[in-house]
Amino acid sequence: EDQVTQSPEALRLQEGESSSLNCSYTVSGLRGLFWYRQDPGKGPEFLFTLYSAGEEKEKERLKATLTKKESFLHITAPKPEDSATYLCATSGGSNYKLTFGKGTLLTVNP
Amino acid sequence: DAGITQSPRYKITETGRQVTLMCHQTWSHSYMFWYRQDLGHGLRLIYYSAAADITDKGEVPDGYVVSRSKTENFPLTLESATRSQTSVYFCAILASGTTDTQYFGPGTRLTVL
Repeated sequence: EDQVTQSPEALRLQEGESSSLNCSYTVSGLRGLFWYRQDPGKGPEFLFTLYSAGEEKEKERLKATLTKKESFLHITAPKPEDSATYLCATSGGSNYKLTFGKGTLLTVNP
Repeated sequence: DAGITQSPRYKITETGRQVTLMCHQTWSHSYMFWYRQDLGHGLRLIYYSAAADITDKGEVPDGYVVSRSKTENFPLTLESATRSQTSVYFCAILASGTTDTQYFGPGTRLTVL
């Protein structure tokens, strides 16, 4: 059974204070690892897809990395508008079903 | 805007009533999904569909029914709603092409009294 564990559950940062979110996963035959951002009352918004260990992707202040067992979402010099819940998910095997972690609630204080 | 609409956005119903949540995509992507999101559980897959008239169960299908007579629509029906089905429901589509990326709709918040 695929499993995705995110840590920490919640993270509070000061504006400009860089940090990382962790996503540990167990999946048979990883097809992809996905990062989403979710604002209150809205649907998840796609950020990144990573396919193989060593891959990295960047978007503005966010950078996602992937190893064989975990992924990190690095947030550099965050701003208050980066406050959201960040979700990690995997797909594996021969289907497109996603297994989600429970998310990390990020709060960035001005 | 990923071209996915869900209706209604909010619904209050009573135990035992039938409720249908609608999902519509403006394109013709083959795969569509229904998830529910609950505190402490994250997003869990209820049902998915690979094409019109092809559906399959996800992780938590009990108490739900789906159909897909048209590619662009994927309704989710709670035949006899229970309080445990109070949740936020999200529909998603799989972007066609070389990626496995799913894009989500805005969600329906359902309360069962």
